Amino acid sequence: EVQLVESGGGLVQPGRSLRLSCAASGFTFVDYGMHWVRQAPGKGLEWVSGISWNSGTTGYADSVKGRFTISRDNAKNSLYLQMKSLRVEDTALYYCAKNIRNGFGGADAFDIWGQGTMVTVSS
Amino acid sequence: DIQMTQSPSSLSASVGDRVTITCRASQSISSYLNWYQQKPGKAPKFLIYTASSLQSGVPSRFSGSGSGTDFTLTISSLQPEDFATYYCQQSYSIPYTFGQGTQLEIK
Repeated sequence: EVQLVESGGGLVQPGRSLRLSCAASGFTFVDYGMHWVRQAPGKGLEWVSGISWNSGTTGYADSVKGRFTISRDNAKNSLYLQMKSLRVEDTALYYCAKNIRNGFGGADAFDIWGQGTMVTVSS
Repeated sequence: DIQMTQSPSSLSASVGDRVTITCRASQSISSYLNWYQQKPGKAPKFLIYTASSLQSGVPSRFSGSGSGTDFTLTISSLQPEDFATYYCQQSYSIPYTFGQGTQLEIK
């Protein structure tokens, strides 16, 4: 079964850091680009970041650029999101999503999603 | 950034109805437009890519069309399981952006 399982969310104070993880199974992880997409409570979807199969290309939403870093470990079938200088507006459910292709940048789509991990930024 | 605008924001319909949701991009995105369905408390589900290609396993009552700036998602005959929120998403340029969503409710 193709599966993505996120972890690492929680309650954190503004300005602090958090690292999210996504464990992939049921498909050849190294063959696909990966993404993070978030959804604030009661709101729509927001793309956060993406990475190509070999980590050669990455991209970020303007709202997180310079604060968040996406990475992957193909040997561990895992995707990560390092989040620094967290803000109240980063509060959201963070989804890990598989790209339909191996690259990143152009014609991407998110065909498999995890169930998400909740990040709450509050003092 | 490319802005994606969906209409309507909400829609009431009955089982068996034909429903169309529109998505407009703030600039041409060729055919780089995807559609997703999300039910309450669940992760989004991938429906359609590059405007009109149906993802494997998605019922044929779903279809997509359009290119440039104007796109549509059509459900030919609504089924009870189709009541959900639908999002369009452009994959023409980074940062990828979603429409605000269209909530499809039972009349």
